[in-house]
Amino acid sequence: DIQMTQSPSSLSASVGDRVTITCRASQSISTYLHWYQQKPGKAPKILIFAASSLQGGVASRFSGSGSGTDFTLTISSLQPEDFATYYCQQSYSTPYSFGQGTKLEIK
Amino acid sequence: QVQLRESGPGLVKPSETLSLTCTVSGDSIGFYYWTWIRQPPGKELEWIGYIYNSGSTHYSPSLKSRVTISVDTSKNQFSLKLTSVTAADTAVYYCARDLGGSSNWFDPWGQGTLVTVSS
Repeated sequence: DIQMTQSPSSLSASVGDRVTITCRASQSISTYLHWYQQKPGKAPKILIFAASSLQGGVASRFSGSGSGTDFTLTISSLQPEDFATYYCQQSYSTPYSFGQGTKLEIK
Repeated sequence: QVQLRESGPGLVKPSETLSLTCTVSGDSIGFYYWTWIRQPPGKELEWIGYIYNSGSTHYSPSLKSRVTISVDTSKNQFSLKLTSVTAADTAVYYCARDLGGSSNWFDPWGQGTLVTVSS
């Protein structure tokens, strides 16, 4: 099974900050990597698919990059509505797996 | 607009069977892959498995011996059964659409339903 490790596990930042979250796979997964945002009590929402493609309707301040084993999610200028937990997910092989999450909190 | 909604008991006794249904609106369940994912309280997401082609299934090896996913195309619903549950199966259970092929990400998701395993 492929293990996904995110860092950091939590992050404090201010509105307007540039934030980067990292996801590392235990083996190469090409670009079969997707990012989700989850707010308390809500289902996850897809932000980025295939490592760098922005889902329709998602703000352009979100971007993704990477391939192989190392990936990043960047928020260029944090907005109040961005404070949430972010998960990466690999779909290179089943069982599909998620990272443990990065909780983004207001500083 | 595609919408998914989970339904089923919120409390299941240990050793019994957890049964949930996901109702799909705005899309035909005959297409795509239809998936179950769960999230124990305060923990990360866990992929359970999917059904596609109106009957083919694929399950997580860690749950395979206890899981069955089935579909009712006449009702545009798919279902999850998890047998011999324990407290470790307490989680929010989500259903979601997986576009399949090489596009195996999940969108949209249902709102989730909390299932507690307790006597």
